[in-house]
Amino acid sequence: AQSVTQLGSHVSVSEGALVLLRCNYSSSVPPYLFWYVQYPNQGLQLLLKYTSAATLVKGINGFEAEFKKSETSFHLTKPSAHMSDAAEYFCAVSDLQGGNEKLTFGTGTRLTIIP
Amino acid sequence: DTGVSQDPRHKITKRGQNVTFRCDPISEHNRLYWYRQTLGQGPEFLTYFQNEAQLEKSRLLSDRFSAERPKGSFSTLEIQRTEQGDSAMYLCASSFRGVGPGELFFGEGSRLTVL
Repeated sequence: AQSVTQLGSHVSVSEGALVLLRCNYSSSVPPYLFWYVQYPNQGLQLLLKYTSAATLVKGINGFEAEFKKSETSFHLTKPSAHMSDAAEYFCAVSDLQGGNEKLTFGTGTRLTIIP
Repeated sequence: DTGVSQDPRHKITKRGQNVTFRCDPISEHNRLYWYRQTLGQGPEFLTYFQNEAQLEKSRLLSDRFSAERPKGSFSTLEIQRTEQGDSAMYLCASSFRGVGPGELFFGEGSRLTVL
């Protein structure tokens, strides 16, 4: 079974500082990997996805993630944090064996931005 | 607004009562998913429909849970004889086959509290 592990349930960074949210995956087949963001009182929103094309994936709001097969990682980064980035971030892996887009999520990382 | 809508947004019930949640997906989406999210956890897959056919059910979905998607449009998730352990946020998502793996569009969720 495929799974993802997010290291750090809470991350705090200063406004303007680098954001780094960690995600490691486990998969017996080449994975499709995703980052979703959940703002307070809103639904989950796709931030970016890796589907075996370019290993460096750019998403919305200045976020990007790099797929590293050797490290089984898909960490999310943003060079300069903004107050509006405060949210919960979920890494997910897609199980395509059934032909659907079922996602298996990590436990999430809550990002706090310090003014 | 043409996003995924869920109703009710909040439901408080007493243990043993039945509850039903409704999800209206994005109109052209043929795939619909139900997830459950508890505090401090990522969303967990419950079940998945393609059009009106329920194609997969998680082991998390006990006999007290039933989901339907008549006519391949809206979906309902019913929980019978609720237990306190059912307290969670129930998320609905939809997608359209061919858009890309993992591109699920989530609703804002229905929060269930069982007293």
